[in-house]
Formats: sequence, C-alpha cells, structure tokens
Amino acid sequence: DIQMTQSPSTLSASVGDRVTITCRASQSISIWLAWYQKKPGKAPYLLVYGASSLESGVPSRFSGSGSGTDFTLTISSLQPDDFATYYCLHYSTYWAFGQGTKVEIK
Amino acid sequence: QVQLEESGPGLVKPSETLSLTCTVSGGSISSYYWSWIRQPPGKGLEWIGYIYSNGNTNYNSSLKSRVTISVDLSKNQFSLNLTSVSAADTAVYYCARGGNAAAPHYWGQGTLVTVSS
Repeated sequence: DIQMTQSPSTLSASVGDRVTITCRASQSISIWLAWYQKKPGKAPYLLVYGASSLESGVPSRFSGSGSGTDFTLTISSLQPDDFATYYCLHYSTYWAFGQGTKVEIK
Repeated sequence: QVQLEESGPGLVKPSETLSLTCTVSGGSISSYYWSWIRQPPGKGLEWIGYIYSNGNTNYNSSLKSRVTISVDLSKNQFSLNLTSVSAADTAVYYCARGGNAAAPHYWGQGTLVTVSS
C-alpha cells in the first residue's frame, strides 16, 4: 500500500505569512494528489487536485506543486480563515490520506 | 448542485454491524464513483472504500475483510456496512462523490457513529 507522509504535523504562523506544507508518497503517484482544508464539524473542502490544479472558487493564494513522490501546498499570504487542518490525499485506484497538518495562530 | 446526506444509527454495540446510507440529491448516482471516509475523534481522515455505479468496488486493505459498499440506483443511494465493530470504529463517517482517479469534491456533512455497549 502507498503511504503518504505530511510535514510538519503542526505549523504556527501569523496572518500574512507564506506557508508551505509538504506531502511525500512512499512510491511514485504521478500527479494523483489532492489537498483539502478541514475545519472542526465541517466536511473537507477540496483546494487542489491533480497536484497543481486549483479547484473552482478557491482563492488564488492557495497553490499546489509537485509530481512523482514530493508535493507541496503553499498559501502565499495566510488569512484568518485559513487556520485549519490540511490533508493531502492520493486518489488513484487506492486512496491514502496524509496524517494532516494543523495550521495554528502564532 | 449535488448534495449528499448520511443517515443511520448514531450508536452501535460492539461486535455488531454498522450500517449507513448516503442519499444523493441534485444529480444522478449513475456514471460516478461514490466513497466513504471516516475520521475518529482527534485523529486524521481515513479512506474506507468506494463504489462505481455499476457496482465495482475498491476497499482499504486494512478494512477489507469487514467492509461492504453497495449501490441502489433506483433510490439514488449507496450504503456502507462494517461488520464486527469495536470502539476503534467510533468516528464521523462521511460519504463523498469520488473514486478511481477522481478526487472527491462533493461531501456529506458527516455523521458521528459511536460504538459502545
């Protein structure tokens, strides 16, 4: 089974900061990777699919990059609404989530 | 706008079967993949499995021996059965539209299932 490893597990940042979250696959997954924002009591919200395609309606401060085994989600200027937990998801024939990165207020 | 809603018992006894249904509105269940994901309290998201509208399924290998996902085209619903549950199966269960090479965009609001006697 493919394993997805996210880092860091927790990230402390301030409004306006540039934030980078990394997701590494245990073997090549091409670009079958998505990023989600998760807030307590709410369903996950799709931000990026295909490693770098921004979902419709998602603010342009979010961006994704990478292919193969190494992927990155970047928030160019952190906004108050962005404090949440972020998950990567490998979604080919079998799925695997990363363990999550909590972005908290510094 | 596609909407999904989970339904089923909020409390299940240990060793019994957890059964949930996801009702899809605002679109047809045909020609799409449909999935189940869960999140135990204080933990991360875990994929359970998915089904295509023709009945083809794929399951998480760690749950495969206990999971069955089925689809009812006539009711625009799909369902999850998880057998022999324990406290470790206590979680918020989500249904979503997505599957093989299709990242889930539409999600239900989630339903908490507690396993306890």
